[in-house]
Amino acid sequence: GAVVSQHPSWVICKSGTSVKIECRSLDFQATTMFWYRQFPKQSLMLMATSNEGSKATYEQGVEKDKFLINHASLTLSTLTVTSAHPEDSSFYICSAREYSSYEQYFGPGTRLTVT
Amino acid sequence: AQSVAQPEDQVNVAEGNPLTVKCTYSVSGNPYLFWYVQYPNRGLQFLLKYITGDNLVKGSYGFEAEFNKSQTSFHLKKPSALVSDSALYFCAVRDSGNEKLTFGTGTRLTIIP
Repeated sequence: GAVVSQHPSWVICKSGTSVKIECRSLDFQATTMFWYRQFPKQSLMLMATSNEGSKATYEQGVEKDKFLINHASLTLSTLTVTSAHPEDSSFYICSAREYSSYEQYFGPGTRLTVT
Repeated sequence: AQSVAQPEDQVNVAEGNPLTVKCTYSVSGNPYLFWYVQYPNRGLQFLLKYITGDNLVKGSYGFEAEFNKSQTSFHLKKPSALVSDSALYFCAVRDSGNEKLTFGTGTRLTIIP
């Protein structure tokens, strides 16, 4: 089956620093990748959609200068949280979709804690 | 606009009993419906989907769901619950013209031994 990995699985950083999270499709080419944020005991909120080779499309209310998304290849997308603050602490989940596929395949998530 | 409602935050079922987790949806076009399961501190695992065809969809781990167009529902079911089924379950929808998934708020399923 289609496998999506995320790295790191958890990260602790100090306020003001930047953190990069990687999302990789391991056995398929992902033309589209999605980044979600999940607060404790809440649902997934879509942050942005990225297509390989083009700029990401951000959802309303998501700061694109704070959450930088790069989809540089068909198997890798990165989310960089810049100048992180404690309120950015959350569980970040990516998903990937093959061209013309109905399904999104989800990564295992990254727990970010900003101190 | 598309939306999903999971009316129950919590469902408790005795082991061995049948279980149902409810989901209703709203889309403007044809619905693509999905169920996912999430274990603590993990990503989402795909259970099953409805795109077209037979209204009864069978998925992983013995789960199934029935698409009911008139009631705009897609309830998740299993004939006999296992303790290991205890987890957080999400229903999701997108319409045929939209690549974005919209998730419900999730239902925590607890199977009581």
